[in-house]
Amino acid sequence: DGGITQSPKYLFRKEGQNVTLSCEQNLNHDAMYWYRQDPGQGLRLIYYSQIVNDFQKGDIAEGYSVSREKKESFPLTVTSAQKNPTAFYLCASSRDATGTGYGKLFFGSGTQLSVL
Amino acid sequence: GENVEQHPSTLSVQEGDSAVIKCTYSDSASNYFPWYKQELGKGPQLIIDIRSNVGEKKDQRIAVTLNKTAKHFSLHITETQPEDSAVYFCAAHSNSGYALNFGKGTSLLVTP
Repeated sequence: DGGITQSPKYLFRKEGQNVTLSCEQNLNHDAMYWYRQDPGQGLRLIYYSQIVNDFQKGDIAEGYSVSREKKESFPLTVTSAQKNPTAFYLCASSRDATGTGYGKLFFGSGTQLSVL
Repeated sequence: GENVEQHPSTLSVQEGDSAVIKCTYSDSASNYFPWYKQELGKGPQLIIDIRSNVGEKKDQRIAVTLNKTAKHFSLHITETQPEDSAVYFCAAHSNSGYALNFGKGTSLLVTP
């Protein structure tokens, strides 16, 4: 089945530790995104990538890093610089990577990150 | 940047009644307005969308209306069922960016 796979579903981080969240898609989509979801805050954009080897910061990129070495994969690293990392993290992809950029988003099932 | 406001934050209706969720946006250049449904512990799923050249769109029990002049759009769910209970997000896309801007969500509860 085509879709977006996020792993792990639950992740725990110790203070000072970097952790990486995985996101893989087999939809052949060009664009991929990472959103952070906090209760009552909606979805806030962390990073997005329109094409392989290129990515841009979103609204809340501080303390996060990404890479896009393959079209199918867009991992997110939560660094120790992110002082409040506890949240539900959602990866998404869309077909369009043109100037309009508003292709329909398909979301993964999310990763819940908690701090020990 | 684009700012999307969504109301109400919670909504409780009885089964069979209608539910309406409203959103406003700030960027007059926005041209794409999707609605997502998120069930507990899952990622959001697109349920309906509308582009700025259309005023209304229907899909069975779900409809979306857009008023570009007033910069607001609404989701209408008729004949609600318990399985409609979820969190609903509106979003808008602005030509100044390459990603969607989301509202803060509406938690809809449909009671039998």
